[in-house]
Amino acid sequence: ETGVTQTPRHLVMGMTNKKSLKCEQHLGHNAMYWYKQSAKKPLELMFVYNFKEQTENNSVPSRFSPECPNSSHLFLHLHTLQPEDSALYLCASSQPTGPGNTIYFGEGSWLTVV
Amino acid sequence: AQTVTQSQPEMSVQEAETVTLSCTYDTSESDYYLFWYKQPPSRQMILVIRQEAYKQQNATENRFSVNFQKAAKSFSLKISDSQLGDAAMYFCAYSGETSGSRLTFGEGTQLTVNP
Repeated sequence: ETGVTQTPRHLVMGMTNKKSLKCEQHLGHNAMYWYKQSAKKPLELMFVYNFKEQTENNSVPSRFSPECPNSSHLFLHLHTLQPEDSALYLCASSQPTGPGNTIYFGEGSWLTVV
Repeated sequence: AQTVTQSQPEMSVQEAETVTLSCTYDTSESDYYLFWYKQPPSRQMILVIRQEAYKQQNATENRFSVNFQKAAKSFSLKISDSQLGDAAMYFCAYSGETSGSRLTFGEGTQLTVNP
């Protein structure tokens, strides 16, 4: 059983659709992250939230819209995506951001944009 | 900016044997941490081992140990008595004083364990 749960695990959406990815952490952490993992590329950090406040947006296109209503939940709202956005999206959490804090990951949401 | 390089896209090892995965990094920071994560077919990233740069002693976790060479900026992972369940993609990662918890990942090494 993972401390970070992501739903859905698989999502297929058209370029004009609007969908959301959900993440929930049961570890009592205060920092949450979205990472993108594309084939043959290193993991890319997308967003960081610390105590519900967005502290980092790594130049992510506006078609990705994060939401963090509380320290346990994180959403990634998706709209008008492109086929190149197809990837594994990993949610993670940690104690408040600081060097050396271990980051715990969920199992990811596979996104396919058609 | 910090970079992490894993020069071995694929490695293989016989069950019960030992294998070493390589990682080098580049940084100008003095306070930083290094990690090895494992990503099995389930795709969940699992922490294998963590090393604090200011500690000279190499970290160990059961069959997993690291060889941390700070001057050479090298951080290799040794897996002893390899098991079939060790088959996975292994990522080396870095976080430092300017990046907070943000991890910079290497490209990964796909490890195959042969029975």
